[in-house]
Amino acid sequence: QAVVTQEPSLTVSPGGTVTLTCASSTGAVTSGHYPYWFQQKPGQAPRTLLYDTSKKHSWTPARFSGSLLGGRAALTLSGAQPEDEADYHCLLSYSDARQGVFGGGTKLTVL
Amino acid sequence: EVQLVESGGGLVQPGGSLRLSCAASGFTFRSYWMSWVRQAPGKGLEWVANIKHDGGEKYYVDSVRGRFTISRDNAQNSLYLQMTSLRAEDTAVYYCARDLMGATRSGYWGQGTLVTVSS
Repeated sequence: QAVVTQEPSLTVSPGGTVTLTCASSTGAVTSGHYPYWFQQKPGQAPRTLLYDTSKKHSWTPARFSGSLLGGRAALTLSGAQPEDEADYHCLLSYSDARQGVFGGGTKLTVL
Repeated sequence: EVQLVESGGGLVQPGGSLRLSCAASGFTFRSYWMSWVRQAPGKGLEWVANIKHDGGEKYYVDSVRGRFTISRDNAQNSLYLQMTSLRAEDTAVYYCARDLMGATRSGYWGQGTLVTVSS
């Protein structure tokens, strides 16, 4: 089974920009992994921010964007707000989107 | 509005069984792949199982294959996870999710139900 790797923790200044990444042990992440990004705050269920690499839900703030960068999936937060402090999880799909593997999560601090 | 409400969690002894349910509303349940995802206390998320919209395909993470069974009742708009031979490491919040994987994807989540495996 694949292993998906994220940065364990990152810090960004209010108003700053930060990029979180998601790598696969099987090789380059592509659009065929249908990358997801989820935000989770303490005591809450995860919430989908981005799916299929870069698609947004109606509730996704415009300051979040997704891409493929250097063989990884990437989540870029531009103009960080205090309320963006949370855990961010990525999910990659394998076997023609039949099975999934989550990354270990990135704890983002806005400070 | 998409709503997913999990139930059935609780305290169970090692080796025991439990059945989780997820009641779906606000969308055409029979049209979507459904998933179970879990999160052990203080840990990350782990995909557990998927089921195709018609129940014709099921997939599991290696650690639960042979012990857990995902199923659905499209007439009742409900998703289930039958868990047997439970272990301490199965202790987690279990989330029901819509179309995390499959032919179309967007990812809606329930609020979760806690399963504790302990003697």
